[in-house]
Amino acid sequence: LAKTTQPISMDSYEGQEVNITCSHNNIATNDYITWYQQFPSQGPRFIIQGYKTKVTNEVASLFIPADRKSSTLSLPRVSLSDTAVYYCLVGDPAGNNRKLIWGLGTSLAVNP
Amino acid sequence: NAGVTQTPKFQVLKTGQSMTLQCAQDMNHEYMSWYRQDPGMGLRLIHYSVGAGITDQGEVPNGYNVSRSTTEDFPLRLLSAAPSQTSVYFCASRPDQGNLYGYTFGSGTRLTVV
Repeated sequence: LAKTTQPISMDSYEGQEVNITCSHNNIATNDYITWYQQFPSQGPRFIIQGYKTKVTNEVASLFIPADRKSSTLSLPRVSLSDTAVYYCLVGDPAGNNRKLIWGLGTSLAVNP
Repeated sequence: NAGVTQTPKFQVLKTGQSMTLQCAQDMNHEYMSWYRQDPGMGLRLIHYSVGAGITDQGEVPNGYNVSRSTTEDFPLRLLSAAPSQTSVYFCASRPDQGNLYGYTFGSGTRLTVV
């Protein structure tokens, strides 16, 4: 099972770019990297998913190096509303989701 | 399009009572799952279903039952509630096993067993 390691917490200020790195040394060939965001008292919300190189959407960018043993979620110009817990997951989208392991995530605090 | 709807949002049970947590999705998703989230722990998979009539156990299935009679509904039953089942429960769904856009989660049910 591909386990992930992320920082427990991060602090930032409004307008800054935030980069959250996730380590997944034993990622398998068919695994994708997916990031979720969770606000208090809400369910997680899908942010972005990728397999290699770079993926960008309207919310974030995901950078994945060639060896795929880590990935970085980049949030451009954060605001107070980006304060949340961010989870990195590694797994095969076509596979059994029993193998998806949710860690504790990274608690991001955006300060004014 | 309501997404994933969970009811109730809050519930207090006495030890030994039974109840059903409801989950319904209107996106025609084949894959549905139940998770529990406890302080200091990540989300843990309880049961999941890959389609109507098909269910399987996740990481922490003991004390819970599920059934999937329709594509839309995936109820979670607590057979005899215990304080250890105090948690926040999330239902999630996705279109199929090959989907690349992740899960859609409900807003959760906060359960307290006293």
